[in-house]
Amino acid sequence: SQQGEEDPQALSIQEGENATMNCSYKTSINNLQWYRQNSGRGLVHLILIRSNEREKHSGRLRVTLDTSKKSSSLLITASRAADTASYFCATDGSLTGGGNKLTFGTGTQLKVEL
Amino acid sequence: DGGITQSPKYLFRKEGQNVTLSCEQNLNHDAMYWYRQDPGQGLRLIYYSQIVNDFQKGDIAEGYSVSREKKESFPLTVTSAQKNPTAFYLCASSRVGVGDTQYFGPGTRLTVL
Repeated sequence: SQQGEEDPQALSIQEGENATMNCSYKTSINNLQWYRQNSGRGLVHLILIRSNEREKHSGRLRVTLDTSKKSSSLLITASRAADTASYFCATDGSLTGGGNKLTFGTGTQLKVEL
Repeated sequence: DGGITQSPKYLFRKEGQNVTLSCEQNLNHDAMYWYRQDPGQGLRLIYYSQIVNDFQKGDIAEGYSVSREKKESFPLTVTSAQKNPTAFYLCASSRVGVGDTQYFGPGTRLTVL
């Protein structure tokens, strides 16, 4: 089953507005990552937040993490039409022999209209 | 340019045929992964490899096979045993270590006719 569940499933906003997406997960994590996927393309890493961090910024992105509630949020400020994409949270887990297993949520489809 | 390439971008297959999807990376990453994505869904892990000549099953390995003969290459074969192979397939790579970012290729869309 999916570890992360994003909310809302779809979001439509006007250019210049802020977009907030939420992610809930079930088990303990070392870190949580957010990825972006343009339609029919691969995923692009946006930001990683570790379990001992509560907030992290990168440009117009702000990510929060509440490990007590097992939830994270991604805020995109001053959205642009180019931000239109699907956004996924991914939680980590260790793989046999080392390495990083990522468990992805179902994603939020963001549409930013002019 | 460093990155991951996948080919082909689109692939059509008749039922009963095996097909092989290519994945190559020049990021010098030890770990490579194959994911499957169905419409409106997240990604599910098929196989992964931490080192050359070694690989492990992911969550949905049935009907798939892989090889890792070179560090740069991790091809995925979708066999005729895979009951519902039509999907978008994504390859990724990373350094070996908990919490490392994964870098994704552009994907291959496989359609079974």
